[in-house]
Amino acid sequence: EVQLVQSGAEVKKPGESLKISCKGFGYRFTTNWIGWVRQMPGKGLEWMGIIYPGDSDTRYSPSFQGQVTISADKSISTVYLQWSSLKASDTAMYYCALPAGTPYWGQGTLVTVSS
Amino acid sequence: QSALTQPASVSGSPGQPITISCTGTSSDVGSYNLVSWYQQYPGKVPKLMIYEGSKRPSGVSNRFSGSKSGNTASLTISGLQAEDEADYYCCSYAGSNWVFGGGTKLTVL
Repeated sequence: EVQLVQSGAEVKKPGESLKISCKGFGYRFTTNWIGWVRQMPGKGLEWMGIIYPGDSDTRYSPSFQGQVTISADKSISTVYLQWSSLKASDTAMYYCALPAGTPYWGQGTLVTVSS
Repeated sequence: QSALTQPASVSGSPGQPITISCTGTSSDVGSYNLVSWYQQYPGKVPKLMIYEGSKRPSGVSNRFSGSKSGNTASLTISGLQAEDEADYYCCSYAGSNWVFGGGTKLTVL
């Protein structure tokens, strides 16, 4: 059974760094693209970017290029989403997901950035 | 890479059909048969309802169907039921990444 299991909710202050994770189970992790989706409070879904864990080829959506870093550690079947300096506007639910057209999503990680 | 365009809201009475449109460009919807549709209830993870334009995953009601014409994809729900009230998002491959629509809130009257 395919599962994507994300790390727990985070509460951070503006300017702090953060790295959240998503671990894949039940499928060939290294040969499947996996991405991150943002959903701000009361708003829609936004694809942030995708990574191919086999060679770490990463594609960012233009709105997120330079704002976050997506990485993968194929030895532990885990992808990451990282911020170097959080802003209040980064407050959102973040989902990892296999590319659109598959039903496989993580449970979501709520990130709250507040002073 | 702009978001796909969906109506903000649609509504219908139980038993009626409704259609939600999703307009993109020749760089996304128009170029690939890779449009998918997701249903999302408040506070829940999105659920795949249609993939590759018109295919239904196992377990999804056959009341849900998808189609495409040019740069516009559509989701049709026949025989609306109260449980269909949710947010719906289209998503398309766009050459090097994916792009969502802005979402449509479906209200069952």
